[in-house]
Amino acid sequence: NAGVTQTPKFRILKIGQSMTLQCTQDMNHNYMYWYRQDPGMGLKLIYYSVGAGITDKGEVPNGYNVSRSTTEDFPLRLELAAPSQTSVYFCASSYSEAFFGQGTRLTVV
Amino acid sequence: DAKTTQPNSMESNEEEPVHLPCNHSTISGTDYIHWYRQLPSQGPEYVIHGLTSNVNNRMASLAIAEDRKSSTLILHRATLRDAAVYYCILRGSAGSYQLTFGKGTKLSVIP
Repeated sequence: NAGVTQTPKFRILKIGQSMTLQCTQDMNHNYMYWYRQDPGMGLKLIYYSVGAGITDKGEVPNGYNVSRSTTEDFPLRLELAAPSQTSVYFCASSYSEAFFGQGTRLTVV
Repeated sequence: DAKTTQPNSMESNEEEPVHLPCNHSTISGTDYIHWYRQLPSQGPEYVIHGLTSNVNNRMASLAIAEDRKSSTLILHRATLRDAAVYYCILRGSAGSYQLTFGKGTKLSVIP
C-alpha cells in the first residue's frame, strides 16, 4: 500500500522558474492538503481540497496554485519561484486520520 | 478554529513513561482530539485520536479529561525513536476537512 506519494523529493529552482509538485494517494480519500514547513517551524496550510473539482485556500496560498481533477491527484504549482518559497512541502490525505507524504525539499536560488 | 496549547518542549528518560499534556478549553462538542508526531526529517504521522473516552492503540494511550478541556498523550515506555515533535490538534466530526497544526511539543529522550 503506497499511501501518499510525493515527487520529486528534492529540487533546486532558479528565481522566476516554475514547477509542479506532484502528490498522489491510493486510499480514495476525499480530503487532501498541501503544507509548507520552514526550518524549525510548524506546518502551514497552503491549499486544501475536499474532493475532485473542489479546492480552497489555506493560511499561506500566495504564489501557489492547485487543481484536483481526480480523487487521487493533487498537484501544487509554483509560478515565478521566489527565495521565500524555499521550504519543505508536505502533501497529505485523510478521511479521519491523515497520512502524509515524505515531503519535497525545495530550494529557490 | 478551536485552539490547543502545548508546552514547547519536554524531556524524558529512556524506558520511562511520558505524559504529554494539551489544553483545549474552547473545544466544541463535536471536535475530535487528534495527536500526530513528526520525527526528524520526516512527514507527520498519525498517533491516536479520541472524542470522549480514553483510547489505546499500539503506539500510545490518550487520556481525555471529563470536561474535555484537556487531554494527555501517554507513551508507556519512551524509546529513542520516540524523540519527535508531538502535535495536538482539534478536528471537527470525522468528515471535517480542518487539519491545522500548532507548534507542538518537542520531546527529547535521554538514553
